[in-house]
Amino acid sequence: AQSVAQPEDQVNVAEGNPLTVKCTYSVSGNPYLFWYVQYPNRGLQFLLKYITGDNLVKGSYGFEAEFNKSQTSFHLKKPSALVSDSALYFCAVRDPQGTGGFKTIFGAGTRLFVKA
Amino acid sequence: EPEVTQTPSHQVTQMGQEVILRCVPISNHLYFYWYRQILGQKVEFLVSFYNNEISEKSEIFDDQFSVERPDGSNFTLKIRSTKLEDSAMYFCASMQGTTGELFFGEGSRLTVL
Repeated sequence: AQSVAQPEDQVNVAEGNPLTVKCTYSVSGNPYLFWYVQYPNRGLQFLLKYITGDNLVKGSYGFEAEFNKSQTSFHLKKPSALVSDSALYFCAVRDPQGTGGFKTIFGAGTRLFVKA
Repeated sequence: EPEVTQTPSHQVTQMGQEVILRCVPISNHLYFYWYRQILGQKVEFLVSFYNNEISEKSEIFDDQFSVERPDGSNFTLKIRSTKLEDSAMYFCASMQGTTGELFFGEGSRLTVL
């Protein structure tokens, strides 16, 4: 069964500083990995995904993530944080070898606070 | 840009009542899902639906829950007899293909009194 861990409930960073939101996963085969962001009282919005190929993937709003198979990690990064990046971030995994439903499982979420 | 729409945005019901939450997925998507989120915390998988049938369901999705896609566009979640612990935000999501990302609706907030 697949699972995702986000070890930090909250990350605090000053505006202009780099940010990292951590994610590790467990899946039987090669994973499909995703990051989503949620603003208050809104649905989840897709940021980026890793399916195959280059380990460094770039996504929306200047975010990027690096797939590390040996460490089973997929950390989200941004070189320079903005106050408007403050939100709840979810890492997610899909096991393509799983059942036909191709369900996506989400981590517990990490709340990012960017201070001006 | 195409989007997933959900109705109602908020529903208040009495314990034991039936509730139907409605979703219109993106038209060319093939995979459909319901998730729930309690108090802005973890997003929990409920059920996946493909080719007009349930393909997987979680332990949460017990006999009180059902899903339908009655007319090829709407995708509904029914809770037959609501319990207090069913109070949550319910999200519908759809996906075009197996490597694609999920597109989420804005959610339906269910409050059970």
